[in-house]
Amino acid sequence: NAGVTQTPKFQVLKTGQSMTLQCAQDMNHNSMYWYRQDPGMGLRLIYYSASEGTTDKGEVPNGYNVSRLNKREFSLRLESAAPSQTSVYFCASRPPLAVRTDTQYFGPGTRLTVL
Amino acid sequence: AQSVTQLGSHVSVSEGALVLLRCNYSSSVPPYLFWYVQYPNQGLQLLLKYTTGATLVKGINGFEAEFKKSETSFHLTKPSAHMSDAAEYFCAVTKYSSASKIIFGSGTRLSIRP
Repeated sequence: NAGVTQTPKFQVLKTGQSMTLQCAQDMNHNSMYWYRQDPGMGLRLIYYSASEGTTDKGEVPNGYNVSRLNKREFSLRLESAAPSQTSVYFCASRPPLAVRTDTQYFGPGTRLTVL
Repeated sequence: AQSVTQLGSHVSVSEGALVLLRCNYSSSVPPYLFWYVQYPNQGLQLLLKYTTGATLVKGINGFEAEFKKSETSFHLTKPSAHMSDAAEYFCAVTKYSSASKIIFGSGTRLSIRP
């Protein structure tokens, strides 16, 4: 199992450009999450998806959109990037309760810089 | 609503000394609590978790944490710090639900002095 994979690992954008961050998991997890991590602020939830076909806003959804393409993939889109979106972005997935491990598995992160 | 407060954004201890990282939570329902560790330029790894049952939970790398409901705390400890423990540590809380949001604290950076 590759676990949770994210692409790209690094990205530099200019203000106003758009891009999509990709996330995939091969653990058959139902729930998937997007976080951003900024110094001194911990991880803040952007969007999450409880299951294929559903998405919900987290703490900081403004400026982002998401797509739960299928059970494996959960993408995060920046339509018009702003310098305030410079951050490290983490994708995570979580198994169903029946598995009873009840934790999240994190990808390696995408470091995004918006100039 | 749930929230997590980590006291101290940076903690520095000597190698071999006790490590104590503090976490207090707020939850309207019985919480599930976690500690994660993040090494430089890496994602988060689960250290330990409390769901139900024994309030003292042991994790990887010699860490443990005690759930104290009366104090709404879940502090992380390790009896003897090792240089390899230098990392950022995050406390997190969620509720028992198939897809509940997991709320993270702001993190505590642990430094180890030789």
